[in-house]
Amino acid sequence: ETGVTQSPTHLIKTRGQQVTLRCSSQSGHNTVSWYQQALGQGPQFIFQYYREEENGRGNFPPRFSGLQFPNYSSELNVNALELDDSALYLCASSLNGGQVYYFGEGSWLTVV
Amino acid sequence: GESVGLHLPTLSVQEGDNSIINCAYSNSASDYFIWYKQESGKGPQFIIDIRSNMDKRQGQRVTVLLNKTVKHLSLQIAATQPGDSAVYFCAERVTAAGNKLTFGGGTRVLVKP
Repeated sequence: ETGVTQSPTHLIKTRGQQVTLRCSSQSGHNTVSWYQQALGQGPQFIFQYYREEENGRGNFPPRFSGLQFPNYSSELNVNALELDDSALYLCASSLNGGQVYYFGEGSWLTVV
Repeated sequence: GESVGLHLPTLSVQEGDNSIINCAYSNSASDYFIWYKQESGKGPQFIIDIRSNMDKRQGQRVTVLLNKTVKHLSLQIAATQPGDSAVYFCAERVTAAGNKLTFGGGTRVLVKP
Protein backbone atom coordinates (compact mmCIF):
# COMPACT_ATOMS: atom_id res chain seq x y z
CA GLU A 1 0.00 0.00 0.00
CA THR A 2 1.42 3.37 -1.06
CA GLY A 3 -1.14 5.54 0.70
CA VAL A 4 -2.18 7.08 -2.62
CA THR A 5 -5.85 6.55 -3.35
CA GLN A 6 -7.70 7.22 -6.57
CA SER A 7 -11.36 7.31 -7.54
CA PRO A 8 -13.27 6.08 -9.34
CA THR A 9 -11.51 2.83 -10.14
CA HIS A 10 -13.41 2.25 -13.38
CA LEU A 11 -15.70 4.38 -15.48
CA ILE A 12 -17.18 4.52 -18.95
CA LYS A 13 -17.83 7.78 -20.75
CA THR A 14 -19.15 8.74 -24.16
CA ARG A 15 -17.06 10.61 -26.69
CA GLY A 16 -17.43 14.36 -26.19
CA GLN A 17 -18.23 14.11 -22.50
CA GLN A 18 -16.14 15.42 -19.63
CA VAL A 19 -14.58 13.42 -16.79
CA THR A 20 -13.08 14.22 -13.40
CA LEU A 21 -10.69 11.83 -11.69
CA ARG A 22 -9.60 12.25 -8.09
CA CYS A 23 -6.46 11.49 -6.12
CA SER A 24 -5.56 11.64 -2.44
CA SER A 25 -1.83 11.76 -1.95
CA GLN A 26 0.20 10.01 0.68
CA SER A 27 0.08 11.80 4.01
CA GLY A 28 2.46 14.75 4.03
CA HIS A 29 3.17 14.62 0.31
CA ASN A 30 2.69 18.03 -1.31
CA THR A 31 3.49 17.07 -4.91
CA VAL A 32 1.12 15.19 -7.19
CA SER A 33 1.76 14.03 -10.73
CA TRP A 34 -0.68 12.54 -13.21
CA TYR A 35 0.18 9.96 -15.84
CA GLN A 36 -1.74 8.32 -18.67
CA GLN A 37 -1.01 4.68 -19.38
CA ALA A 38 -2.41 3.17 -22.56
CA LEU A 39 -2.79 -0.58 -22.68
CA GLY A 40 0.57 -2.30 -23.14
CA GLN A 41 2.59 0.90 -22.80
CA GLY A 42 4.49 2.76 -20.14
CA PRO A 43 2.95 5.71 -18.30
CA GLN A 44 3.14 9.12 -19.99
CA PHE A 45 3.51 12.27 -17.92
CA ILE A 46 0.53 14.62 -18.09
CA PHE A 47 1.36 17.27 -15.49
CA GLN A 48 2.46 17.90 -11.93
CA TYR A 49 1.16 20.06 -9.12
CA TYR A 50 3.21 21.41 -6.25
CA ARG A 51 1.51 23.35 -3.47
CA GLU A 52 -1.56 23.98 -5.63
CA GLU A 53 0.37 25.27 -8.65
CA GLU A 54 1.07 23.42 -11.90
CA ASN A 55 4.85 23.19 -12.22
CA GLY A 56 5.38 20.89 -15.16
CA ARG A 57 3.38 19.62 -18.11
CA GLY A 58 3.85 16.90 -20.66
CA ASN A 59 2.73 16.79 -24.27
CA PHE A 60 -1.02 16.80 -23.64
CA PRO A 61 -3.60 19.26 -25.04
CA PRO A 62 -5.25 21.94 -22.90
CA ARG A 63 -8.42 19.88 -22.56
CA PHE A 64 -6.43 17.98 -19.93
CA SER A 65 -6.46 20.17 -16.84
CA GLY A 66 -6.02 19.74 -13.15
CA LEU A 67 -6.31 21.14 -9.68
CA GLN A 68 -4.58 20.63 -6.39
CA PHE A 69 -6.32 21.52 -3.17
CA PRO A 70 -4.93 22.85 0.14
CA ASN A 71 -4.93 19.33 1.56
CA TYR A 72 -2.80 18.31 -1.46
CA SER A 73 -5.46 16.10 -2.99
CA SER A 74 -5.83 16.56 -6.71
CA GLU A 75 -8.20 16.29 -9.65
CA LEU A 76 -7.61 15.53 -13.29
CA ASN A 77 -10.24 16.88 -15.66
CA VAL A 78 -10.53 15.89 -19.29
CA ASN A 79 -12.94 17.72 -21.57
CA ALA A 80 -14.29 16.71 -24.98
CA LEU A 81 -13.32 13.09 -24.49
CA GLU A 82 -11.93 11.21 -27.46
CA LEU A 83 -11.72 7.46 -28.02
CA ASP A 84 -7.93 7.61 -27.64
CA ASP A 85 -8.34 8.95 -24.12
CA SER A 86 -9.25 5.42 -23.06
CA ALA A 87 -6.44 4.46 -20.67
CA LEU A 88 -5.39 3.94 -17.09
CA TYR A 89 -4.88 7.27 -15.35
CA LEU A 90 -2.32 7.16 -12.58
CA CYS A 91 -1.66 9.58 -9.80
CA ALA A 92 1.69 9.69 -8.02
CA SER A 93 2.69 11.66 -4.97
CA SER A 94 6.01 12.71 -3.52
CA LEU A 95 7.40 15.08 -0.93
CA ASN A 96 8.63 18.40 -2.33
CA GLY A 97 8.93 16.93 -5.80
CA GLY A 98 11.47 14.50 -4.46
CA GLN A 99 12.88 11.60 -6.36
CA VAL A 100 10.62 8.74 -5.35
CA TYR A 101 7.04 8.90 -6.55
CA TYR A 102 4.45 6.58 -5.09
CA PHE A 103 1.64 5.59 -7.40
CA GLY A 104 -1.99 4.86 -6.75
CA GLU A 105 -3.86 1.96 -8.33
CA GLY A 106 -5.24 4.16 -11.07
CA SER A 107 -8.57 4.94 -12.66
CA TRP A 108 -9.54 2.96 -15.74
CA LEU A 109 -11.33 5.20 -18.23
CA THR A 110 -13.11 3.77 -21.25
CA VAL A 111 -14.45 6.17 -23.86
CA VAL A 112 -17.07 4.76 -26.21
CA GLY B 1 15.05 13.89 -27.20
CA GLU B 2 14.35 11.81 -24.19
CA SER B 3 13.56 8.17 -24.66
CA VAL B 4 13.78 5.13 -22.47
CA GLY B 5 13.39 1.71 -23.96
CA LEU B 6 13.73 -1.92 -23.05
CA HIS B 7 15.53 -4.62 -25.04
CA LEU B 8 13.22 -7.55 -24.30
CA PRO B 9 9.44 -7.30 -24.15
CA THR B 10 8.97 -10.69 -22.42
CA LEU B 11 11.28 -12.63 -20.15
CA SER B 12 10.50 -16.19 -19.02
CA VAL B 13 12.42 -17.32 -15.97
CA GLN B 14 12.49 -20.54 -14.01
CA GLU B 15 11.58 -20.14 -10.37
CA GLY B 16 14.74 -19.82 -8.34
CA ASP B 17 16.85 -18.51 -11.18
CA ASN B 18 18.13 -14.95 -11.44
CA SER B 19 16.40 -12.48 -13.75
CA ILE B 20 18.03 -9.64 -15.64
CA ILE B 21 15.93 -6.90 -17.18
CA ASN B 22 17.64 -4.42 -19.44
CA CYS B 23 16.85 -0.85 -20.32
CA ALA B 24 18.45 1.65 -22.68
CA TYR B 25 18.15 5.38 -22.40
CA SER B 26 19.19 8.04 -24.84
CA ASN B 27 19.39 11.25 -22.81
CA SER B 28 22.83 11.74 -21.32
CA ALA B 29 21.39 14.50 -19.11
CA SER B 30 19.31 11.97 -17.15
CA ASP B 31 20.53 11.97 -13.58
CA TYR B 32 18.10 9.69 -11.84
CA PHE B 33 16.62 6.32 -12.69
CA ILE B 34 13.89 4.22 -11.12
CA TRP B 35 12.60 0.70 -11.58
CA TYR B 36 8.93 0.06 -11.05
CA LYS B 37 7.00 -3.23 -10.92
CA GLN B 38 3.42 -3.29 -12.13
CA GLU B 39 1.16 -6.24 -11.45
CA SER B 40 -1.98 -6.79 -13.45
CA GLY B 41 -4.67 -4.26 -12.55
CA LYS B 42 -2.44 -2.31 -10.17
CA GLY B 43 -0.39 0.84 -10.20
CA PRO B 44 3.41 0.85 -10.53
CA GLN B 45 5.23 -0.13 -7.37
CA PHE B 46 8.63 1.38 -6.57
CA ILE B 47 11.44 -1.20 -6.50
CA ILE B 48 14.75 0.61 -6.44
CA ASP B 49 16.35 3.79 -7.70
CA ILE B 50 19.84 4.98 -8.58
CA ARG B 51 21.43 8.35 -9.15
CA SER B 52 23.75 9.00 -12.05
CA ASN B 53 26.75 9.41 -9.73
CA MET B 54 26.47 5.73 -8.84
CA ASP B 55 26.96 2.61 -10.94
CA LYS B 56 25.43 0.02 -8.64
CA ARG B 57 22.86 -0.13 -5.92
CA GLN B 58 21.49 -3.12 -4.04
CA GLY B 59 18.21 -3.74 -2.32
CA GLN B 60 16.46 -6.79 -1.04
CA ARG B 61 16.99 -9.44 -3.77
CA VAL B 62 17.38 -6.69 -6.36
CA THR B 63 20.39 -4.90 -7.82
CA VAL B 64 20.39 -2.04 -10.27
CA LEU B 65 23.39 -1.42 -12.47
CA LEU B 66 23.99 1.78 -14.39
CA ASN B 67 26.45 2.07 -17.25
CA LYS B 68 26.52 5.70 -18.31
CA THR B 69 29.09 5.07 -21.02
CA VAL B 70 26.61 3.05 -23.07
CA LYS B 71 23.49 4.55 -21.50
CA HIS B 72 22.31 1.24 -20.15
CA LEU B 73 20.42 0.28 -17.03
CA SER B 74 19.65 -3.18 -15.72
CA LEU B 75 17.64 -4.70 -12.92
CA GLN B 76 18.76 -8.01 -11.49
CA ILE B 77 16.37 -10.07 -9.40
CA ALA B 78 17.94 -12.86 -7.39
CA ALA B 79 16.16 -16.17 -6.83
CA THR B 80 13.10 -15.17 -8.82
CA GLN B 81 9.81 -16.10 -7.20
CA PRO B 82 6.27 -16.50 -8.62
CA GLY B 83 5.34 -13.20 -6.97
CA ASP B 84 7.91 -11.48 -9.17
CA SER B 85 5.74 -12.11 -12.24
CA ALA B 86 4.77 -8.65 -13.45
CA VAL B 87 5.67 -5.94 -15.95
CA TYR B 88 8.81 -4.01 -15.06
CA PHE B 89 9.41 -0.44 -16.15
CA CYS B 90 12.51 1.64 -16.02
CA ALA B 91 12.06 5.38 -15.83
CA GLU B 92 14.43 8.29 -16.07
CA ARG B 93 14.35 11.80 -14.81
CA VAL B 94 16.24 14.84 -15.99
CA THR B 95 16.23 17.07 -12.93
CA ALA B 96 17.04 20.21 -14.92
CA ALA B 97 14.01 19.58 -17.13
CA GLY B 98 11.56 19.33 -14.26
CA ASN B 99 10.03 16.56 -12.28
CA LYS B 100 8.57 14.29 -14.90
CA LEU B 101 9.53 10.66 -15.17
CA THR B 102 9.98 9.25 -18.67
CA PHE B 103 9.02 5.58 -18.78
CA GLY B 104 10.06 2.86 -21.14
CA GLY B 105 7.59 0.43 -22.69
CA GLY B 106 8.01 -2.29 -20.08
CA THR B 107 9.22 -5.90 -19.89
CA ARG B 108 6.90 -8.68 -18.83
CA VAL B 109 8.53 -11.24 -16.54
CA LEU B 110 6.90 -14.67 -16.37
CA VAL B 111 8.12 -16.99 -13.63
CA LYS B 112 7.70 -20.67 -14.40
CA PRO B 113 7.28 -23.06 -11.45
